[in-house]
Order: sequence, then C-alpha cells, then structure tokens
Amino acid sequence: KQEVTQIPAALSVPEGENLVLNCSFTDSAIYNLQWFRQDPGKGLTSLLLIQSSQREQTSGRLNASLDKSSGRSTLYIAASQPGDSATYLCAVKRLTGGGNKLTFGTGTQLKVEL
Amino acid sequence: NAGVMQNPRHLVRRRGQEARLRCSPMKGHSHVYWYRQLPEEGLKFMVYLQKENIIDESGMPKERFSAEFPKEGPSILRIQQVVRGDSAAYFCASSPPTSGGASYNEQFFGPGTRLTVL
Repeated sequence: KQEVTQIPAALSVPEGENLVLNCSFTDSAIYNLQWFRQDPGKGLTSLLLIQSSQREQTSGRLNASLDKSSGRSTLYIAASQPGDSATYLCAVKRLTGGGNKLTFGTGTQLKVEL
Repeated sequence: NAGVMQNPRHLVRRRGQEARLRCSPMKGHSHVYWYRQLPEEGLKFMVYLQKENIIDESGMPKERFSAEFPKEGPSILRIQQVVRGDSAAYFCASSPPTSGGASYNEQFFGPGTRLTVL
C-alpha cells in the first residue's frame, strides 16, 4: 500500500527566503507525481507534474525534482512571497494495478511572513 | 475553457437526510474522480468513473455512498442517511482520456463541496 509523507508539516519563513518542501513515498512504482497548492477553504491548484521518466520540472519560481529510486520528491520555491502562503500537497499515481487514483500526502502548511 | 465545476459549494444537512453533490468535468474530459478531505486529514480517493461506468470504487464506504456519471449531465455523489462523520470537503477532479480509453493524464480539481452534517 502506497504511503506518502510530507515533511515538515508546517513551515514559517520570512519573505524572500528560498525554501524546500519534501515528499516521500513508499512504493517507487509510480506513473507520475504532482504538486498542488491548496488555499484555505478552496480547491486544489496543480503546480507541477513530473512523469516517472523525468527528473525535474520548473515553472517560474518553482522547481520540483523526482528521485523515484529513493522514493523522494522536493519542491523548491525561490524568493518566497506572502502570496505563497498555502498548504502544499504532493500526490503520486501508481504505475499499474492502482487505477488512476492519486495518493496524497498530508501536506505542508507554509506561511511566508513580511 | 471553464474548469471543473462543483455545486453546491456548501451544503448543510441534518442527520438522516440525503446529500447530493454534483460535478461537471472540464470540456472534453470523460474521466471523473471523487476525493474526500476529512477535517485535519489528507485527501482520500473515493471513486473513479467514466461515462456510464464505475471503474474503481475501492475508496467508497460500503454503505450509504454511491456515485454515477451518466451519459448526459454531471457526475453525482450521493450520500444517504448522512451522519456527522460525513462532514468533510468533497472534491471532484477530471482528466481527458488518452488513446485506448485509459487516462494517465493530469487531474484537474474543482473547488469542492463542503458538507456539514448537523
């Protein structure tokens, strides 16, 4: 059974700092991994999707890496801003036998302070 | 292209009533997924549907919960005889099919329906 863990559970940083969020998964037989952002009381916004054959994806100030063999992904946020404050979720899709469902981590709650 | 739409956004029910949650996928998407986010917990998969078919319902509670995705109209998640433990945010996601009918594409999420059971 796939289990996804995110560390830290909560993080508070001053504006402008670079930061790294971590995601680990127990079953390396994944098809892809997605990073999402969730604002309080809102839905999920997809940030980056990494296919299992890829090592990283970049979008603006965000960079996500994937090390499938070790079961780890990181989300790097450069020059953080107060508007980045949200909960960040990672989710993996199993390669076979698990349908198309996403297994989510419990999230990292990020607060960027002025 | 409008995103995934869910309604209502907020739903209040008393114990024993029925709750019906609706989800309209993005245009061109024929795959729908329902997830539930209980208070202080992560999102959990409930069910995966294609038009007129339930593909994977491994995350659905065995009783009181059902889902459908008819040929015409939105997908419906139905909860009968709601209890307080059903209070949660219910999210719908959709994805387009790839060739052969399978879908390994990115899932796009709706804003969710927040169900409160009194």
